[in-house]
Amino acid sequence: DQQVKQNSPSLSVQEGRISILNCDYTNSMFDYFLWYKKYPAEGPTFLISISSIKDKNEDGRFTVFLNKSAKHLSLHIVPSQPGDSAVYFCAASVGGGADGLTFGKGTHLIIQP
Amino acid sequence: DGGITQSPKYLFRKEGQNVTLSCEQNLNHDAMYWYRQDPGQGLRLIYYSQIVNDFQKGDIAEGYSVSREKKESFPLTVTSAQKNPTAFYLCASGRLGQGRGNEQFFGPGTRLTVL
Repeated sequence: DQQVKQNSPSLSVQEGRISILNCDYTNSMFDYFLWYKKYPAEGPTFLISISSIKDKNEDGRFTVFLNKSAKHLSLHIVPSQPGDSAVYFCAASVGGGADGLTFGKGTHLIIQP
Repeated sequence: DGGITQSPKYLFRKEGQNVTLSCEQNLNHDAMYWYRQDPGQGLRLIYYSQIVNDFQKGDIAEGYSVSREKKESFPLTVTSAQKNPTAFYLCASGRLGQGRGNEQFFGPGTRLTVL
């Protein structure tokens, strides 16, 4: 049973536009959420995170929104750049994550010139 | 330069052999983790350790073993009991602390192929 779901395997966005990546979760105990970016044959790179006590966190071009009632979070990238093309993973944890993270299957973002 | 190193980058193993994947970190992180990634899948937790000489099973621990004799090192052994060992293996580390989230930092990964 998948507790973290990323229902779009891929997403194509034009350079300069907004990219919106979505993530849904089922476990109400999750209290910390993270987004990672990954290139092929490399380890994931941490992008941005949000605690369940917040509904928005912003860092430069990246903003994460959390809707706890809907058990949904999204990552907004504005403006999208060619270097943003990668696989993005949503992850969640209970109690801060000391026991590990639960990952979605990822969304492959393709930025078109 | 602080970070996490994994070696080797690519590893080939004959069926029935055990193999050990190395993971070292110099970030002074308490916690270390092993994940496995298969094509089209997310990362799945194999084992984790929050303190030296202690570790816990993750979601898919069968066929794997670990040790944590030093804070900096967390090697993973893929045993012959693991039925589908071919995968991309990722090691991560993170700080622990009250009231803080665990941003885990990942190594470059080891691609294991069983022949």
